[in-house]
Amino acid sequence: GAVVSQHPSRVICKSGTSVKIECRSLDFQATTMFWYRQFPKQSLMLMATSNEGSKATYEQGVEKDKFLINHASLTLSTLTVTSAHPEDSSFYICSARVRLNTEAFFGQGTRLTVV
Amino acid sequence: AQKVTQAQTEISVVEKEDVTLDCVYETRDTTYYLFWYKQPPSGELVFLIRRNSFDEQNEISGRYSWNFQKSTSSFNFTITASQVVDSAVYFCALSPEETSGSRLTFGEGTQLTVNP
Repeated sequence: GAVVSQHPSRVICKSGTSVKIECRSLDFQATTMFWYRQFPKQSLMLMATSNEGSKATYEQGVEKDKFLINHASLTLSTLTVTSAHPEDSSFYICSARVRLNTEAFFGQGTRLTVV
Repeated sequence: AQKVTQAQTEISVVEKEDVTLDCVYETRDTTYYLFWYKQPPSGELVFLIRRNSFDEQNEISGRYSWNFQKSTSSFNFTITASQVVDSAVYFCALSPEETSGSRLTFGEGTQLTVNP
């Protein structure tokens, strides 16, 4: 399958700072990327869908001003957690799709801890 | 709205036992995709299977097998002769056909522990 790389794999930041997480498709161009969040011992919840060159579509209840998503190229999407707070501590994982009617491939995930 | 239910929160078995993980789903779509993923402690999601709703054939891959019953909206996963390395959280997921399995609704997951 295709390779999706996420960076960093772990990050610890201070409350009030911003953190950027990168999701890259290494061997294919991803027209669409998805961002999920997983709290400890819970399921994965879709946060937003990002399409290259356009604004992201956020799921209900996800603050778009807090979770900034940029998909400026066909191989890179970024998620920026702005003014992070301890309750934002979670596992964030992205997936990327080549085009419609193809499955998505997942990155390795980023474990964010806000102290 | 779509929903996936994995009623078994945790399962513990002894190595070499067979174990079945249940998955029941709800959707109004007539066509959709179903998935199983494995999540080891490291966190990454390991893809196991994708099944289109119009393909009700059961599938076997090594020690893994899947039983898709559209009539009962279930997509159960069986591991035969379980091994310690099978210990992980297993997620069942559902996606509308038009997204082809890229926009997923996950179940709550089943923590499987295989003891030596």
